[in-house]
Amino acid sequence: DAGVIQSPRHEVTEMGQEVTLRCKPISGHNSLFWYRQTMMRGLELLIYFNNNVPIDDSGMPEDRFSAKMPNASFSTLKIQPSEPRDSAVYFCASSPLGVAGYNEQFFGPGTRLTVL
Amino acid sequence: KNEVEQSPQNLTAQEGEFITINCSYSVGISALHWLQQHPGGGIVSLFMLSSGKKKHGRLIATINIQEKHSSLHITASHPRDSAVYICAASNTGNQFYFGTGTSLTVIP
Repeated sequence: DAGVIQSPRHEVTEMGQEVTLRCKPISGHNSLFWYRQTMMRGLELLIYFNNNVPIDDSGMPEDRFSAKMPNASFSTLKIQPSEPRDSAVYFCASSPLGVAGYNEQFFGPGTRLTVL
Repeated sequence: KNEVEQSPQNLTAQEGEFITINCSYSVGISALHWLQQHPGGGIVSLFMLSSGKKKHGRLIATINIQEKHSSLHITASHPRDSAVYICAASNTGNQFYFGTGTSLTVIP
């Protein structure tokens, strides 16, 4: 398996533009997680899905952020409109949903977003 | 207060030294995870444990459920061990809580 795939790997955009980040989880994994990592705040969970259903989106900063998982093999994280403070590395991770809470996460390579 | 606390935040060691990174958590967990992130790189899961001890090469992870504490040990440290080590706790809802990470630098 190719592991978790994220695209793009790097994104530079201007303030106010819409940004869409994409993630393909490992085949067979039922849980998908979106994280944001910054120097100031470290790794933060934004939202996670179990079986394509959003379970907890309390980490989503504000209404400018939205995430979807239309099927088991694809998820998007959208920021509209983007702001300079959204600059960060965004990681997607997936895990099997075996024994609840006892599942190793597999991380994608991340998308480095810069909003000018 | 963070659900997961790590110490130290930064650590510098000489090659060959024994290293310990500590993690305390305040939430009920199903498992405790140790992750590694090299500079500019992705995140890799090193260990997932719910009791006792696990060993992989020069890395050892332990957990004390009663004390809600885990440690990551590196024996005979090497410059290639230089990375950020992140502790995370997962619960029965498959939610993850992360520590802020420990930045380790091993000097040759």
